[in-house]
Amino acid sequence: GAVVSQHPSRVICKSGTSVKIECRSLDFQATTMFWYRQFPKQSLMLMATSNEGSKATYEQGVEKDKFLINHASLTLSTLTVTSAHPEDSSFYICSAAPTFSSYNEQFFGPGTRLTVL
Amino acid sequence: GIQVEQSPPDLILQEGANSTLRCNFSDSVNNLQWFHQNPWGQLINLFYIPSGTKQNGRLSATTVATERYSLLYISSSQTTDSGVYFCAVAGTGRRALTFGSGTRLQVQP
Repeated sequence: GAVVSQHPSRVICKSGTSVKIECRSLDFQATTMFWYRQFPKQSLMLMATSNEGSKATYEQGVEKDKFLINHASLTLSTLTVTSAHPEDSSFYICSAAPTFSSYNEQFFGPGTRLTVL
Repeated sequence: GIQVEQSPPDLILQEGANSTLRCNFSDSVNNLQWFHQNPWGQLINLFYIPSGTKQNGRLSATTVATERYSLLYISSSQTTDSGVYFCAVAGTGRRALTFGSGTRLQVQP
């Protein structure tokens, strides 16, 4: 149990285009999901907290108009990178914790590798 | 925000050796997790351990919350144990995880 999927796993796009990444909890409901970014040889950095039915909460320094987050249901959150530029190339990973659980354990998706040319 | 420090940053072992990875954190936590990131980037949950001791096969972990550190033990290491090990914590009142910088482990045959 506690499986999180992401789609696509890899995407290459041209500068200026927008890219949408989906994060799904497959066997549990998640009121809250999280989006992280990881640059090569570095650790994961929290970008934003995605809340079902309400606006996302962004970390300091993360442009909310550039990284649009929509948490449309208890099993799906999407991250859209708008007007992508080469500096947005990174590994994007989402996580979720089961809503109805006495634990806070989080489970991570397999990640999406974005390359902007 | 909460600070997380991992040591050592890099570790090279011969197959069969044992190792201890350390995670120090700066404040009270309600969540502490250890992960292994495989070569494809997937984070594998090893332990959910905000306090106490757990064991799973050749791996075990101990968190001493009052002293703000956690240890991950790997015994009889195998080449498949290679990769990056992350400690991540959530401070009191938060759910989002703050990650340490990781320990890059290389197990040589």
